[in-house]
Amino acid sequence: AQSVTQLDSQVPVFEEAPVELRCNYSSSVSVYLFWYVQYPNQGLQLLLKYLSGSTLVESINGFEAEFNKSQTSFHLRKPSVHISDTAEYFCAVRSLSGTYKYIFGTGTRLKVLA
Amino acid sequence: ETGVTQSPTHLIKTRGQQVTLRCSSQSGHNTVSWYQQALGQGPQFIFQYYREEENGRGNFPPRFSGLQFPNYSSELNVNALELDDSALYLCASSSGTAVNTEAFFGQGTRLTVV
Repeated sequence: AQSVTQLDSQVPVFEEAPVELRCNYSSSVSVYLFWYVQYPNQGLQLLLKYLSGSTLVESINGFEAEFNKSQTSFHLRKPSVHISDTAEYFCAVRSLSGTYKYIFGTGTRLKVLA
Repeated sequence: ETGVTQSPTHLIKTRGQQVTLRCSSQSGHNTVSWYQQALGQGPQFIFQYYREEENGRGNFPPRFSGLQFPNYSSELNVNALELDDSALYLCASSSGTAVNTEAFFGQGTRLTVV
């Protein structure tokens, strides 16, 4: 079985400040790791994913996440946030066996303040 | 190329009633998964359909059922609605069931049970 823990339910941060959203996972099998973003009244959009290879993955809008196998973490970072980054962020894992369903964390609400 | 579309966007039902939610998958996608996102929670996997057959199921009672049609669109049916069924229901489609295929999510249907 897999589980995902997002340690912070809400993260307020001022515009242009750096941010880190934490994600830890637990799994007895190998998994792929994902970050999804959900804007108000919208569905989920894939932000970035780790499948294999380099442990540092980047998105097109400046976010990055690093897979740390020993710490079972996949924290999301951005060096300088914008007001438009205000949203809910979900970390998820997907098992390499079975139905490949996503297991999501409970989400972190990022609020960027002017 | 059209994305994943869900209908209706909002719905209010009375406890004990039945509801059908619909999902049109992205062009070329033959796999559809449904998730339930309760308020303040991450999405929870309900089930997945691949080429019109149920391909995996989460921890949901049998009153949650589904269908996938030859055009790969899908329905989620919930019988005997309970207040706790109030949630955002998300549909995700992908081109196959391989673990590294990306799933694309719709905007969701917000169901309120009163």
